[in-house]
Amino acid sequence: QVQLVQSGAEVKKPGASVKVSCKASGYTFTTYDINWVRQAPGQGLEWVGWMNPNSGNTDFEQKFQGKITMTRNTSISTAYMELNNLRSEDTAVYYCARGLGSSSWAAVDNWGQGTLVTVSS
Amino acid sequence: SSELTQDPAVSVALGQTVRITCQGDSLRSYYASWYQQKPGQAPVLVIYSKTNRPSGIPDRFSGSSSGNTASLTITGAQAEDEAEYFCGSRDSSGSGSQLVFGGGTKLTVL
Repeated sequence: QVQLVQSGAEVKKPGASVKVSCKASGYTFTTYDINWVRQAPGQGLEWVGWMNPNSGNTDFEQKFQGKITMTRNTSISTAYMELNNLRSEDTAVYYCARGLGSSSWAAVDNWGQGTLVTVSS
Repeated sequence: SSELTQDPAVSVALGQTVRITCQGDSLRSYYASWYQQKPGQAPVLVIYSKTNRPSGIPDRFSGSSSGNTASLTITGAQAEDEAEYFCGSRDSSGSGSQLVFGGGTKLTVL
């Protein structure tokens, strides 16, 4: 079955960086986009960006431009999201999720378990 | 990015039908998807491309749309349907390659 398994919770100080991993199994890693979605405590879902694991192409919500790097290692079916210059507002659960879609729709079907990133001095 | 607007909370009596709506300009161009999230859990896709259910999602969940509004209908709501529901779609404010989510609707089953 399709699974996305993320790395564990992180606590970081303001200004630091964090790298979250997302290991895919149960399907061919390079045939589906990986999306990243975050959820601040008690808040809704916020789309962060996506990466095409085959080409390495990425696209981000504008507010994350310059703050996020998405990479992958296709040999181990793993995607990575690195956030830099962390601020308290970046405290959230970060999810990776497999993307589906066509020209008329898009969705994310299988989600990782989430990685809590806490930014605190 | 554009916005998708949802009512913050809705309630339904056990066994009754409830409709959860989502409004936004993106929905004039793109079909909606719907996600169910229970406390402490990752979201689960329940409807995609307006009306399609992933395998394992009960047929009491259905989707529809008209104009700038998408709807998720639960026919015969069960206690286990109590959760927060989020809509999502492609974002029409750019190239359409980005996604946007609604703010969520908390469903209470009475």
